[in-house]
Amino acid sequence: DVKVTQSSRYLVKRTGEKVFLECVQDMDHENMFWYRQDPGLGLRLIYFSYDVKMKEKGDIPEGYSVSREKKERFSLILESASTNQTSMYLCAISIAGGISSYEQYFGPGTRLTVT
Amino acid sequence: DQQVKQNSPSLSVQEGRISILNCDYTNSMFDYFLWYKKYPAEGPTFLISISSIKDKNEDGRFTVFLNKSAKHLSLHIVPSQPGDSAVYFCAASALWDAGGGADGLTFGKGTHLIIQP
Repeated sequence: DVKVTQSSRYLVKRTGEKVFLECVQDMDHENMFWYRQDPGLGLRLIYFSYDVKMKEKGDIPEGYSVSREKKERFSLILESASTNQTSMYLCAISIAGGISSYEQYFGPGTRLTVT
Repeated sequence: DQQVKQNSPSLSVQEGRISILNCDYTNSMFDYFLWYKKYPAEGPTFLISISSIKDKNEDGRFTVFLNKSAKHLSLHIVPSQPGDSAVYFCAASALWDAGGGADGLTFGKGTHLIIQP
């Protein structure tokens, strides 16, 4: 079974703080993704990565950055948290190559509240 | 511009009947479609998928139909069970390059399915 772990289930931060959200996978998969989920908006892609030190912008990268120093770990960074970044953050992985690379497997999510 | 649309925010179905969830897309480059199920406070779980070369895929109680000319797909659940109550997301993807490796998925806004006893 694919296992995707996110460092925190719930997080409360203050406006202006730097926030790190960590995602770890245990199966040496290349592709990793960060989404946010908001009511009425579905899931929106923030950033993704195909390999160590590689990153690509998704649909809503503004206000975020990412880091992938090791294959198993993909971090989402909020440089200066703002209240409009209060959301559920979801990490996902997929297996590179072939049709199965379309199927993404999600972690449990981190509910971030910025006050 | 929303490329994947789920026009019904919620759907209520009686237990044992068929649930039909609909999804429309606008991007002709999409060639793979997926359905995810999500319970509150959990990550989405993959349910079923279909490639653009097919028009139907079945897995137990779940069947996905694809109508490429109409850019429409639907998920049928029969018979519906109480545990099916969840938010269902339709998602689509386009092959990133010839070497494989999928781009991030484009999701619809979701449909909240409620199965009534």
